[in-house]
Amino acid sequence: GAVVSQHPSWVICKSGTSVKIECRSLDFQATTMFWYRQFPKQSLMLMATSNEGSKATYEQGVEKDKFLINHASLTLSTLTVTSAHPEDSSFYICSAISGGSYEQYFGPGTRLTVT
Amino acid sequence: KQEVTQIPAALSVPEGENLVLNCSFTDSAIYNLQWFRQDPGKGLTSLLLIQSSQREQTSGRLNASLDKSSGRSTLYIAASQPGDSATYLCAASTSGTYKYIFGTGTRLKVLA
Repeated sequence: GAVVSQHPSWVICKSGTSVKIECRSLDFQATTMFWYRQFPKQSLMLMATSNEGSKATYEQGVEKDKFLINHASLTLSTLTVTSAHPEDSSFYICSAISGGSYEQYFGPGTRLTVT
Repeated sequence: KQEVTQIPAALSVPEGENLVLNCSFTDSAIYNLQWFRQDPGKGLTSLLLIQSSQREQTSGRLNASLDKSSGRSTLYIAASQPGDSATYLCAASTSGTYKYIFGTGTRLKVLA
């Protein structure tokens, strides 16, 4: 089956710094990837849709200047949390679409803790 | 705007029981509906995917149904086991954009 990886799996950073999270489709090309955020004991909330070679589309309420998304190739999308604050601490999950069925394959998630 | 809700929010059952988890969505123009399980602190494990043209899918002790006209999907778990304890999430993808809107989740605990 299609595999999506994320790196790192967990990261701790200091308030005010930036952190980059990578999402890779390992065995298929993904023209579209999605980024989700999950706070403790809550469901997943879609942050943005990332399309290869074009600007990301952000959901209402998500600051595009704070959460920078780059989809530079058909197998890699990155999410950079800029000037991170403790309230950005969350579980970030990406997914990628494999063409045809449009089924989404999810990465294992990245746990971000901002101190 | 699509909204997805799940009932009940939490469920505790004795081992061996058959159970049904419910998922409701407000916009019937979905492309597919997918059920996941999530263990504490972990990512998502895909259980079943139902495409809009299908009415149900089965895998082992799991059966998921989809009724677009009523905006409902159910996940049936037969002969529940303690290992089934997890949070179950449903997600509906929107036709055209294919982005997923996740339900609120059902926390299941199966008692030995």
